Amino acid sequence: ILNVEQSPQSLHVQEGDSTNFTCSFPSSNFYALHWYRWETAKSPEALFVMTLNGDEKKKGRISATLNTKEGYSYLYIKGSQPEDSATYLCAFIENNDMRFGAGTRLTVKP
Amino acid sequence: DVKVTQSSRYLVKRTGEKVFLECVQDMDHENMFWYRQDPGLGLRLIYFSYDVKMKEKGDIPEGYSVSREKKERFSLILESASTNQTSMYLCASSLPTRGEQYFGPGTRLTVT
Repeated sequence: ILNVEQSPQSLHVQEGDSTNFTCSFPSSNFYALHWYRWETAKSPEALFVMTLNGDEKKKGRISATLNTKEGYSYLYIKGSQPEDSATYLCAFIENNDMRFGAGTRLTVKP
Repeated sequence: DVKVTQSSRYLVKRTGEKVFLECVQDMDHENMFWYRQDPGLGLRLIYFSYDVKMKEKGDIPEGYSVSREKKERFSLILESASTNQTSMYLCASSLPTRGEQYFGPGTRLTVT
């Protein structure tokens, strides 16, 4: 069974704060890692697809890093804004098996 | 723009009813998925399909069945709804099995 852990479960920050959270996954048989953002009343949307150890991806104020040898990925948000409030999900893919973490719920207070 | 639609945003059904949840995608994707999302548990895969008339069980298929008669449509069926099937149901599609998934808006099902 693939065990994908996300921490923290929830996070409250002030507008302008930078924040980060973690996705941990088994380090063997890695194929890819996805990050999704799920805003309330909307569909989850893919942020990043990461496939190589050492990958760093960036989209605006959001970036992600990947360490497949130790089995973790970090998602960073620089200068959080209220519109960043959402649940951030990671999904680990091994062979043909895809497993989601439980998500980190981020609330950014104005 | 990529689009995945689900037949209902909210649904209330009684225990024992047969429930159909429909999902349609307009991207010509081969792969389609049904998940349920419960607090603290993340998205759990119920069934997926990689082609018309093909289906594979996910992690929690018990109490569910699926149908894929056309490439764009993937239906989730609860043969006899029970209260423990109250949940948010999400449909998704993708090109390769391990590619990024495109999600529908979700159906919040309440079984009373």
